[in-house]
Amino acid sequence: QKEVEQDPGPLSVPEGAIVSLNCTYSNSAFQYFMWYRQYSRKGPELLMYTYSSGNKEDGRFTAQVDKSSKYISLFIRDSQPSDSATYLCAMSAPGNNRLAFGKGNQVVVIP
Amino acid sequence: GAVVSQHPSWVICKSGTSVKIECRSLDFQATTMFWYRQFPKQSLMLMATSNEGSKATYEQGVEKDKFLINHASLTLSTLTVTSAHPEDSSFYICSAGLAGRNTGELFFGEGSRLTVL
Repeated sequence: QKEVEQDPGPLSVPEGAIVSLNCTYSNSAFQYFMWYRQYSRKGPELLMYTYSSGNKEDGRFTAQVDKSSKYISLFIRDSQPSDSATYLCAMSAPGNNRLAFGKGNQVVVIP
Repeated sequence: GAVVSQHPSWVICKSGTSVKIECRSLDFQATTMFWYRQFPKQSLMLMATSNEGSKATYEQGVEKDKFLINHASLTLSTLTVTSAHPEDSSFYICSAGLAGRNTGELFFGEGSRLTVL
């Protein structure tokens, strides 16, 4: 079993829809949970950062972490064409910065 | 926010030559930097951890003699692909975190696309 599972299937939604992405993980030591956005031919950009369980909201973006289920989610409200990118979940354990990445979801928001 | 700069952003070289890629933290110090490789439509694969003032730690299966890493200062790490071959063509990305903070919050460079002819 991989440390982080993210269904890599592409996702196409109409503009204004809610985008829902999720990852599961197996390592109970993970405490830090991140979502990165990566545009084509660019480096990943840190989008959301969460410590332990709970919700975090930043504008149209909401990140949720459920450590009991080892499940994290990212929601994008009122999606825009500029949100079209690949979204990668990542997580790490305390004491080091070695990130375990999901495979990424390519999201396309259709105008 | 913290900025990580990579140079060059793209490079084309002939087979057998060596290529150096630089990774700089512009407005913060980083005792540790990370180098990744990414193939098209794939996730990032960690190649090595670069430690300032000491040897890099390589992931299993990564040839340390082929991918030379030097982290000479708190703001600069370099990756040299030696005797490059077409199979080394890839997108190389570095990341860095704030010195003293091991909380997983990393900042990534823009990536360097290497094409070996």
